[in-house]
Amino acid sequence: QQQVKQSPQSLIVQKGGISIINCAYENTAFDYFPWYQQFPGKGPALLIAIRPDVSEKKEGRFTISFNKSAKQFSLHIMDSQPGDSATYFCAAHSGGYQKVTFGTGTKLQVIP
Amino acid sequence: NAGVTQTPKFQVLKTGQSMTLQCAQDMNHNSMYWYRQDPGMGLRLIYYSASEGTTDKGEVPNGYNVSRLNKREFSLRLESAAPSQTSVYFCASSDRGRNTGELFFGEGSRLTVL
Repeated sequence: QQQVKQSPQSLIVQKGGISIINCAYENTAFDYFPWYQQFPGKGPALLIAIRPDVSEKKEGRFTISFNKSAKQFSLHIMDSQPGDSATYFCAAHSGGYQKVTFGTGTKLQVIP
Repeated sequence: NAGVTQTPKFQVLKTGQSMTLQCAQDMNHNSMYWYRQDPGMGLRLIYYSASEGTTDKGEVPNGYNVSRLNKREFSLRLESAAPSQTSVYFCASSDRGRNTGELFFGEGSRLTVL
């Protein structure tokens, strides 16, 4: 049972372009939506996160857009760089963060 | 800054063998987790421990057991390994007291079951 659906599975973007990864969730009890970045051979690390009381959060070149009514959120990477090449996971938490549900991941490749 | 440390990093088992994956964190976190990562499946929760002395099943607990040895350590045991358990296993921890929910992951343990 996949409660968080993530797309696309893979993405190739030209250097300087915009990378967009989308996620949709079903459980309205989710109240915290992080994105994790994972480089090959490493564990995932928190990139940016948002709560459902705001529609957008920006940190440097990374922006989360959140649409509560549509139960969707997305990650935008502006001015994408080869160093951004990694796998990105969206996730969702509910009450007390005991259980975190992850999307299936998007492998991003930024080509020079 | 060690963070979350997992051992071993690589392991090859034969079907039916048993083994234990070890995890330790030095951030004084209350909660610890075991995930498995498979291509196209993302990260799936096997077991978690909200605090020392408690453990609960996650999404895919069958074939696994866990022990929260103390606040720092959380181990994952495969009693009779099966090829379907070939995966990369990640341990993670979080500090619920900070109310952020951020998970801190180890670097993973790659397990192959032949």
